[in-house]
Amino acid sequence: QKEVEQNSGPLSVPEGAIASLNCTYSDRGSQSFFWYRQYSGKSPELIMSIYSNGDKEDGRFTAQLNKASQYVSLLIRDSQPSDSATYLCAVNEGGGSYIPTFGRGTSLIVHP
Amino acid sequence: DVKVTQSSRYLVKRTGEKVFLECVQDMDHENMFWYRQDPGLGLRLIYFSYDVKMKEKGDIPEGYSVSREKKERFSLILESASTNQTSMYLCASSSDRAYGYTFGSGTRLTVV
Repeated sequence: QKEVEQNSGPLSVPEGAIASLNCTYSDRGSQSFFWYRQYSGKSPELIMSIYSNGDKEDGRFTAQLNKASQYVSLLIRDSQPSDSATYLCAVNEGGGSYIPTFGRGTSLIVHP
Repeated sequence: DVKVTQSSRYLVKRTGEKVFLECVQDMDHENMFWYRQDPGLGLRLIYFSYDVKMKEKGDIPEGYSVSREKKERFSLILESASTNQTSMYLCASSSDRAYGYTFGSGTRLTVV
């Protein structure tokens, strides 16, 4: 059974710091990796996609993928209180699957 | 931007009622999904569809059915609502497994 593991948190960081969120996965054949942000009471929103080893940057967000070690991480630079949310990691295997496996999410709290 | 619209934000239904949850997307996506999200359990896939008239069971299809008569519309049906179906229901769509999901705003269903 495919698994995607995330620390549930909460991860608490001060405003302006770097928040580091981590995710490990079990399926070595996985090819697509996603991070979603979910504010309390709202639906998830896709914020980052990454497909190859290395870093991908988008504004204050950087996704890092290491397929050999089977982990993907999300760094949030200059964290703001508005970044406080639950972050969901999702992993798609290859071979035509349309269905990602979701982690249960890490709660991030950015305090002023 | 892709928009996924769920017809109701909040819904209260009685036990035994037949409940229809509607989802419409406006970007010609082939793939559509229904999830429920419960505290501590994460996102659980109910049904999905990758083409008109097609449907596939997800992880927890019992007590649910779906209909996809048109490409843009994917309906979730609770045949006889029960209190254990009280949950947040999320519809999502994607154009390709590599691109991640766009979620609707969710329907919080309470069955009394």
